Amino acid sequence: GAVVSQHPSRVICKSGTSVKIECRSLDFQATTMFWYRQFPKKSLMLMATSNEGSKATYEQGVEKDKFLINHASLTLSTLTVTSAHPEDSSFYICSASVYPGAYNEQFFGPGTRLTVL
Amino acid sequence: DQQVKQNSPSLSVQEGRISILNCDYTNSMFDYFLWYKKYPAEGPTFLISISSIKDKNEDGRFTVFLNKSAKHLSLHIVPSQPGDSAVYFCAAAGGTSYGKLTFGQGTILTVHP
Repeated sequence: GAVVSQHPSRVICKSGTSVKIECRSLDFQATTMFWYRQFPKKSLMLMATSNEGSKATYEQGVEKDKFLINHASLTLSTLTVTSAHPEDSSFYICSASVYPGAYNEQFFGPGTRLTVL
Repeated sequence: DQQVKQNSPSLSVQEGRISILNCDYTNSMFDYFLWYKKYPAEGPTFLISISSIKDKNEDGRFTVFLNKSAKHLSLHIVPSQPGDSAVYFCAAAGGTSYGKLTFGQGTILTVHP
């Protein structure tokens, strides 16, 4: 149980295009989903927290107009990188939880490798 | 500002020996700490955690030690197995950021047969 999937697993796009990444909780309903970004040999940096049916809360320094997050249902959240540029190339990971305060029950997806040419 | 640091990028250990992974933090508001294991092309999976009211938590081969005065925690794996080879992240939670985890940079553990 507690499986989180991400699609696509990797994507290559041209500069200026938009890319959508999906995060799904397959066997549980996630009231909260988190989006992280990982640079090579760096830690996972939290980008934003999304709760089903409400606007996402972005971390300081993260452009909300650049990284659009939609948490439309209890099993799906999407991250759209708008007008992608090479500096947006990174590994994006989502996590999902039923109770955000139950830290050891935050389940992670396998990640999406984005390469912007 | 890196609030959680894992200063050793990599660690190599012989099978059967002890692996000790270290993590330091700076934010005194953190009150819950976790260790995650990550294989390539997979997301992190939860391994073990510890609350700040404890100084040790044990689960099978895995033990986490917390030294609050030094703001330091460590993960001990005994005995180490080749299947333990992965990237290990420590993470911290607490303070006003409900649900938020702050991660270290990760340590690549390689266990040689």
